[in-house]
Amino acid sequence: DGGITQSPKYLFRKEGQNVTLSCEQNLNHDAMYWYRQDPGQGLRLIYYSQIVNDFQKGDIAEGYSVSREKKESFPLTVTSAQKNPTAFYLCASSSLGGGYTFGSGTRLTVV
Amino acid sequence: DQQVKQNSPSLSVQEGRISILNCDYTNSMFDYFLWYKKYPAEGPTFLISISSIKDKNEDGRFTVFLNKSAKHLSLHIVPSQPGDSAVYFCAASYSSGSARQLTFGSGTQLTVLP
Repeated sequence: DGGITQSPKYLFRKEGQNVTLSCEQNLNHDAMYWYRQDPGQGLRLIYYSQIVNDFQKGDIAEGYSVSREKKESFPLTVTSAQKNPTAFYLCASSSLGGGYTFGSGTRLTVV
Repeated sequence: DQQVKQNSPSLSVQEGRISILNCDYTNSMFDYFLWYKKYPAEGPTFLISISSIKDKNEDGRFTVFLNKSAKHLSLHIVPSQPGDSAVYFCAASYSSGSARQLTFGSGTQLTVLP
């Protein structure tokens, strides 16, 4: 079955550490996205990529980094520069001009 | 500045009645609108969409209405069922390059009471 997989489902990070969230899709979608969800807020775009080896900043890219070395994979690194990293992170993919398919999310907690 | 707004954070309706979720937008370039449903600790799932060339789209119990002059859309669920209880996100996009970026509202928590 085609789909998009995020791992891990829960992640704990100590302050000052970088952490990488995985996102893999086997839908052959060109575009991939990372969103962040905070309580009472909508989904805010962190980064997106329309093609391999290219990505663009979204609305809240500060403190995050991404790579797109393979079409199937779009990992997100939450760096120590991100002031408030505790949130629910969602990865999505889409075909060109198509709707989004979302992963099941990763809840990151800073301890 | 929020370009997509869902002003009601929560809504409760009785099972069997109609649920109406509202969404307003400010960017007149938006030409495609979607509704997503989200359960806790899961990713959103696509529900229904509408293009700006239409004013209504229906899919089973779900109907989306678009009023372009008012920059307003709404999702109607009839009849509402307890399994419909979830957070509903409105999203909007416009063509920009080869991929559409979605701008989401803040969501409305729908609770359907048995």
